[in-house]
Amino acid sequence: NAGVTQTPKFRVLKTGQSMTLLCAQDMNHEYMYWYRQDPGMGLRLIHYSVGEGTTAKGEVPDGYNVSRLKKQNFLLGLESAAPSQTSVYFCASSYGTSGNTEAFFGQGTRLTVV
Amino acid sequence: AQSVTQLDSQVPVFEEAPVELRCNYSSSVSVYLFWYVQYPNQGLQLLLKYLSGSTLVKGINGFEAEFNKSQTSFHLRKPSVHISDTAEYFCAVKGTGGFKTIFGAGTRLFVKA
Repeated sequence: NAGVTQTPKFRVLKTGQSMTLLCAQDMNHEYMYWYRQDPGMGLRLIHYSVGEGTTAKGEVPDGYNVSRLKKQNFLLGLESAAPSQTSVYFCASSYGTSGNTEAFFGQGTRLTVV
Repeated sequence: AQSVTQLDSQVPVFEEAPVELRCNYSSSVSVYLFWYVQYPNQGLQLLLKYLSGSTLVKGINGFEAEFNKSQTSFHLRKPSVHISDTAEYFCAVKGTGGFKTIFGAGTRLFVKA
């Protein structure tokens, strides 16, 4: 009963380094999302995908790239990390095209860029 | 486009007291409304959702929320809180024809003994 799994859970990067965050869901959901959570700002949408092979920009896409090569996986990449990208990152997924379906979240990845 | 405003960033309350967490939204289209809860060091999980029909919605852990279309509000209530309710609560909105969920900034509920 895994649901949405994020890897890694914690990471410290130096400025300029790159990394990839992996999100995997086993619920056969069409839609997947990457959010960042910062104090006092709630969750802000970085990128999202409405199906395998498709991606789109959210509210705060700069400095990030994503890929959805397989339906169950959604990768978030940081090509050159900056201290402003220190945050908690959440992956989520939802089923179907109807707006009434809620999102299911992973446990989060706490990223610190020094 | 939609937006969500949670009117209180922090709400301290004593155990067994009632609590209300306030949420207002704006949207040019019909919406679905959600409340999520985030316990420390965990992801978000759904508390309850309003889709249509009765404006009073009941969720898990004794929480309920009331949809008020004229005031564009969706306040969350619990008649008697427990220490274990200490968490951050997020109000969220999604257009009925859309798939992106917009979240409020969150309200941190702190239940004191």
